[in-house]
Amino acid sequence: GNSVTQMEGPVTLSEEAFLTINCTYTATGYPSLFWYVQYPGEGLQLLLKATKADDKGSNKGFEATYRKETTSFHLEKGSVQVSDSAVYFCAPKWNGNQFYFGTGTSLTVIP
Amino acid sequence: DTGVSQDPRHKITKRGQNVTFRCDPISEHNRLYWYRQTLGQGPEFLTYFQNEAQLEKSRLLSDRFSAERPKGSFSTLEIQRTEQGDSAMYLCASSLHPLGGSTDTQYFGPGTRLTVL
Repeated sequence: GNSVTQMEGPVTLSEEAFLTINCTYTATGYPSLFWYVQYPGEGLQLLLKATKADDKGSNKGFEATYRKETTSFHLEKGSVQVSDSAVYFCAPKWNGNQFYFGTGTSLTVIP
Repeated sequence: DTGVSQDPRHKITKRGQNVTFRCDPISEHNRLYWYRQTLGQGPEFLTYFQNEAQLEKSRLLSDRFSAERPKGSFSTLEIQRTEQGDSAMYLCASSLHPLGGSTDTQYFGPGTRLTVL
């Protein structure tokens, strides 16, 4: 069946460090791919998305590229800030109408 | 702010009691979704509506759970005879599904945290 595997956390980085959070999905068809973020005390927010192979989603300095060959959608940011501390969820969406959320990766950025 | 709102934000109940949660979606969004999120996990899909029609239900949605969206606007999720295993965050999301399209972005509410004692 459809599923997603996300890098486990927690992840702790110093400010201005490079961030990668890995996400892979099972290769049954071609889902749309999303990253959602949950800041402390807030609801889930869409961070970025990509709907077809080789598309790159970007927002707030974060990027992720839809890699059909490796069924991956890794999240990257070149220089993290303290305000990026949050939980990040990878969420493929196949032709149905439900997201398949990963378990989430908690990121803490220290000054 | 006209985002998705949920009420109540927190609910504590005793095992065996019934509870009802409400979700108000973004105005004019035709789709409304319910998810459940337990500690340390991602949200799990429960059900969704297109306008007032409930189009899909997860196997997670036992007979004790019922959801309605009677006028195609707000929705309620009721849990009857609550069990301790029902303790979780219940999330609502809404989206505007385009005609003939299949990809839409879901906007999430803040959630209702249920604790069953």
